[in-house]
Amino acid sequence: KNQVEQSPQSLIILEGKNCTLQCNYTVSPFSNLRWYKQDTGRGPVSLTIMTFSENTKSNGRYTATLDADTKQSSLHITASQLSDSASYICVVSDRGSTLGRLYFGRGTQLTVWP
Amino acid sequence: EADIYQTPRYLVIGTGKKITLECSQTMGHDKMYWYQQDPGMELHLIHYSYGVNSTEKGDLSSESTVSRIRTEHFPLTLESARPSHTSQYLCASSIPWKTNEKLFFGSGTQLSVL
Repeated sequence: KNQVEQSPQSLIILEGKNCTLQCNYTVSPFSNLRWYKQDTGRGPVSLTIMTFSENTKSNGRYTATLDADTKQSSLHITASQLSDSASYICVVSDRGSTLGRLYFGRGTQLTVWP
Repeated sequence: EADIYQTPRYLVIGTGKKITLECSQTMGHDKMYWYQQDPGMELHLIHYSYGVNSTEKGDLSSESTVSRIRTEHFPLTLESARPSHTSQYLCASSIPWKTNEKLFFGSGTQLSVL
């Protein structure tokens, strides 16, 4: 069964600190991996999209890494801000259909305290 | 970024009522989707459309129905709402990106059925 597992489930850090969120997947075949940020009560917003040939991709203070061999990805947040408080969702796409089916993780709930 | 709008943001209704959740996008995207999300859980695809007059059921069985009469409009209807339908409903549209799709989400409708 294709799955996307994220850890930790929740995380609390102080403003200004760095943190790393993990995503392990078993989806096969693999097309790309996405990280989304979802604020409470809002829809997800795309942070990064990486294909199997990309190891690292940055978007401001967000840096995603991908190891397609071990089927692991991480999202590193640098110098956290209060506005980073949100759920971060890992999504993996396969190549099994023209739709490019998406497999969603349950997210890591990040809380940044002042 | 795509402009995709969902109304209402919040809806509280009684059992047995018929409801329609609205979703519109102004970017001319052909593909549109409805996802269902419960707290702390992953998004589940319930309906999608490749274009006008095209609708398909998603991975998660749903008693809702959808229609696509216009490119920009993709409403979701529940003929008789039940408490089990209480959830957040997210609409999305997509554009081709490399070999897959880049997904844009609306802000969601939080539905509570009493």
